[in-house]
Amino acid sequence: GAGVSQSPRYKVAKRGQDVALRCDPISGHVSLFWYQQALGQGPEFLTYFQNEAQLDKSGLPSDRFFAERPEGSVSTLKIQRTQQEDSAVYLCASSLEAGSGTVTDTQYFGPGTRLTVL
Amino acid sequence: TQLLEQSPQFLSIQEGENLTVYCNSSSVFSSLQWYRQEPGEGPVLLVTVVTGGEVKKLKRLTFQFGDARKDSSLHITAAQPGDTGLYLCAGELITGNQFYFGTGTSLTVIP
Repeated sequence: GAGVSQSPRYKVAKRGQDVALRCDPISGHVSLFWYQQALGQGPEFLTYFQNEAQLDKSGLPSDRFFAERPEGSVSTLKIQRTQQEDSAVYLCASSLEAGSGTVTDTQYFGPGTRLTVL
Repeated sequence: TQLLEQSPQFLSIQEGENLTVYCNSSSVFSSLQWYRQEPGEGPVLLVTVVTGGEVKKLKRLTFQFGDARKDSSLHITAAQPGDTGLYLCAGELITGNQFYFGTGTSLTVIP
């Protein structure tokens, strides 16, 4: 496909379970971003990759959150020991150029993964 | 931390009415963007404004960047049901590279 894809689209986890969310960016895009979005709110930045390098992880809410992009393409966001407050939509975005989301770098978003922690 | 506050948070109007959504901050941004997000989808970029005082028009949508680059507005003329969605402003701080989204405005246009 031509756009950013994410899987699964929906995930229900019991409190304490580990989850892994996948993002397939647009082919050739250098930058990849993860955001967390609560219902009806704006997305909040989690982390940013330039190719395989994680250049900014300042938005990750705790050490239970971990992201990787080992080959500079597909990325995985892992949440360990999920808590109810982790319930949200997790959005992935990619942009063509290197950078952290500057005006010249249009971010293309995937549809998100809705995580519900019971 | 969401540095960009949007108002109103919710807006429900009749088809054909005009509306304005505001995006405000105490910080200066090098650029601001507006996105529209529909349920179950990611945000889609509508416009980017980069110069203080800049006005951009996209069909019935008019976007303005404040002179001091701390705020922006989105005006929709003759709203249509297809305009329904979550409108988000977003920007990059002039002091750094982080990208922030606003708190969002949920618009419903009733036929």
